[in-house]
Amino acid sequence: AQSVTQLGSHVSVSEGALVLLRCNYSSSVPPYLFWYVQYPNQGLQLLLKYTSAATLVKGINGFEAEFKKSETSFHLTKPSAHMSDAAEYFCAVSVRGGSEKLVFGKGTKLTVNP
Amino acid sequence: DTGVSQDPRHKITKRGQNVTFRCDPISEHNRLYWYRQTLGQGPEFLTYFQNEAQLEKSRLLSDRFSAERPKGSFSTLEIQRTEQGDSAMYLCASREGEREGRTDTQYFGPGTRLTVL
Repeated sequence: AQSVTQLGSHVSVSEGALVLLRCNYSSSVPPYLFWYVQYPNQGLQLLLKYTSAATLVKGINGFEAEFKKSETSFHLTKPSAHMSDAAEYFCAVSVRGGSEKLVFGKGTKLTVNP
Repeated sequence: DTGVSQDPRHKITKRGQNVTFRCDPISEHNRLYWYRQTLGQGPEFLTYFQNEAQLEKSRLLSDRFSAERPKGSFSTLEIQRTEQGDSAMYLCASREGEREGRTDTQYFGPGTRLTVL
């Protein structure tokens, strides 16, 4: 079975500072990995995804993530935080075949301070 | 594409009542998913349709829950005899069928927030 652990339920950064949101996964087969963002009272929007091509994945809004198989990690980064990045971020894993349902972590709420 | 839509956006009901939610996926997306998200948690998978066939159900989906996708387009999720523990955001997502060697993105709707009093 697949699982995701997001380290840190809350992360606070200053505007302009580096954003680093941590995600570790567990999967017995090569995974697909995703980062989604959720703004209050809204659905989830895909930021980026890893599907076994390049290990460094670039997404929308300046975010990127690196797949590290040896560390079973898929951390999300952004060089310079904007106020508009304040939201909740979810890491998710799925595997090829069957429903390809997403298994989500518990989320990390990002606060950006002026 | 107009995106995934869900109706209603909010539902308040009393314990013991039945409720039904609707999801309209992106047109021509043959895969449809329902998830449930409780406060402070990530979404949890409930059920999956490929066209009109319900191919997978989570153990979270008790016998009070039923989902349908009668013509392979929109889907409904019904909860009978609601309980306070059913209070949550119910999210619907859709995606295209798999293309060779790639997985496609699940696109989420805005969700239906259910409050059971």
